[in-house]
Amino acid sequence: EIVLTQSPGTLSLSPGERATLSCRASQSVSSSYLAWYQQKPGQAPRLLIYDASSRATGIPDRFSGSGSGTDFTLTISRLEPEDFAVYYCQHYASSPWTFGQGTKVEIK
Amino acid sequence: EVQLVESGGGLVQPGGSLRLSCAASGFIFSSYWMHWVRQAPGKGLVWVSRISGDGSTILYADSVKGRFTISRDNAKDTLYLQMDSLRAEDTALYYCARRSGAGGFFDYWGQGTLVTVSS
Repeated sequence: EIVLTQSPGTLSLSPGERATLSCRASQSVSSSYLAWYQQKPGQAPRLLIYDASSRATGIPDRFSGSGSGTDFTLTISRLEPEDFAVYYCQHYASSPWTFGQGTKVEIK
Repeated sequence: EVQLVESGGGLVQPGGSLRLSCAASGFIFSSYWMHWVRQAPGKGLVWVSRISGDGSTILYADSVKGRFTISRDNAKDTLYLQMDSLRAEDTALYYCARRSGAGGFFDYWGQGTLVTVSS
């Protein structure tokens, strides 16, 4: 089973600042089969990024993903008020599909 | 518009059973593999089970294997999760999610149905 570890647990930033979220895998994620999801309180997760760096339909270009192998990053270039949420990475290279524990981006 | 609507959650005693449903619309249901994912209160996301479009290929997380059964009725555009021998640690919001046609990631999620296992 691939274990995904996200850091930091909480990121306290102000609107307009840049957010950098990390996701580290316990073993190499083949073909960069890694996704990022955003979840706001009381809502279902929303797909942001797939295949490590491809933006999902309708996702603003301030969201970008990068990385390969065991190290992946989600970057939000300039935080908007609606971006304060919890972010999860997930691999889909093989069963069981696993998620990181999440990074909460909160308003400083 | 793709929609996934879960139902069937509720309060059940330990050892009891519950059947969750996920009604799909806005896409050709039989063409997509579907998943169940759960989230305990205040916790992260945990994958539970997956079923192929025709129902022939099924996988489970070790934590639910032998107790949960995933199935689908393509004529009714509905996904199911039969949950037996429920434990307190199964308490969670259960989401159904669609596997994207472009890859193994989950492109659409329902709003979830809450299962509470308690005496």
